[in-house]
Amino acid sequence: NAGVTQTPKFQVLKTGQSMTLQCAQDMNHNSMYWYRQDPGMGLRLIYYSASEGTTDKGEVPNGYNVSRLNKREFSLRLESAAPSQTSVYFCASSEIYGYTFGSGTRLTVV
Amino acid sequence: SQELEQSPQSLIVQEGKNLTINCTSSKTLYGLYWYKQKYGEGLIFLMMLQKGGEEKSHEKITAKLDEKKQQSSLHITASQPSHAGIYLCGADMGTSYDKVIFGPGTSLSVIP
Repeated sequence: NAGVTQTPKFQVLKTGQSMTLQCAQDMNHNSMYWYRQDPGMGLRLIYYSASEGTTDKGEVPNGYNVSRLNKREFSLRLESAAPSQTSVYFCASSEIYGYTFGSGTRLTVV
Repeated sequence: SQELEQSPQSLIVQEGKNLTINCTSSKTLYGLYWYKQKYGEGLIFLMMLQKGGEEKSHEKITAKLDEKKQQSSLHITASQPSHAGIYLCGADMGTSYDKVIFGPGTSLSVIP
């Protein structure tokens, strides 16, 4: 089915390790986003990309980097994971109205 | 502080009962979205409201945006266990870049 695909679904990291969360959409959307979801905090925007080749910081960018590899793919990298980055991460894409979300990546940093 | 607030934070209702979830902003909303999230899954788009006074329905779920475009309500009629999940409102606050801000969510449990 068309939509947003995130990998992996689950990951456990040790403090200081690095990893990349992958996201791909097949709806030809221009805009893509990375959010994190924490209890009582709702969804907070980490980074977004309004179009291929552009990225901008959102509300909570510290500790993360992103790459908009092409129109389909938008990856999120944690260079040195910290326990504070334990969260559920969602990728989303949009064209004009409404977002389509991936199923999320549950990340635990120990 | 949250730019979007939702109330209540959580709700437990008996199957068949009606319920309302509210989403409030201190600023004018240029677009208001409602999403549902099943526990451990991604968000599913329910509906979008743009005009003051607008009301939309989908099956047993009705959402309204007030005339001043600063508050939206989501009403579920005759709730069912399938309605259980987290309901999030998202809003276009009219900023210069294309992004939606989300409320903290309302957790709904429906007891059979």
